[in-house]
Amino acid sequence: NAGVTQTPKFQVLKTGQSMTLQCAQDMNHEYMSWYRQDPGMGLRLIHYSVGAGITDQGEVPNGYNVSRSTTEDFPLRLLSAAPSQTSVYFCASTRQGLAFFGQGTRLTVV
Amino acid sequence: GNSVTQMEGPVTLSEEAFLTINCTYTATGYPSLFWYVQYPGEGLQLLLKATKADDKGSNKGFEATYRKETTSFHLEKGSVQVSDSAVYFCALTMIKAAGNKLTFGGGTRVLVKP
Repeated sequence: NAGVTQTPKFQVLKTGQSMTLQCAQDMNHEYMSWYRQDPGMGLRLIHYSVGAGITDQGEVPNGYNVSRSTTEDFPLRLLSAAPSQTSVYFCASTRQGLAFFGQGTRLTVV
Repeated sequence: GNSVTQMEGPVTLSEEAFLTINCTYTATGYPSLFWYVQYPGEGLQLLLKATKADDKGSNKGFEATYRKETTSFHLEKGSVQVSDSAVYFCALTMIKAAGNKLTFGGGTRVLVKP
């Protein structure tokens, strides 16, 4: 019963590099989301998906892309990393308003 | 848009003390309200929820009541333990809205000392 699995747990990038944060859920939930957590600001929504093939922007989408080719997977792509993207990233899978979160990815951009 | 405001921390308490974390919200319509907890190095976990006015959510000795008249959802625990040290987030969502997007407060760090 894995729930929501995020990889990697830690990552250091150089400015300008690209990478993909992986997220997978095994609960067959339609809704999935990506949040970033910054000190004192709670979690802010980056992108979300209401089902395979359907994604939309959240509150802070700039610099990030997503896709949802299957119900299970919802990867987050950083196109050209910037120091402002240093944060902790959480993927969530949601059903009937209840969100299940992954363990998080701590990303540092230097 | 929707917003959630919760008291800033850190809140430092002694074991067996009473804990209150204030949370107020602004929303269009009738949101569902949640408290999530984040233990060190972990993701967020649902602590409790309430889906309509006057509902009381409870779990692990924590309680919160959905107060529509004051747009509040304050978290309380009568006797905290060291293991309650964590960051607590108040959040809301519109259940019927596509995506069930959560709006979070800024989080309140609680430290319980023995």
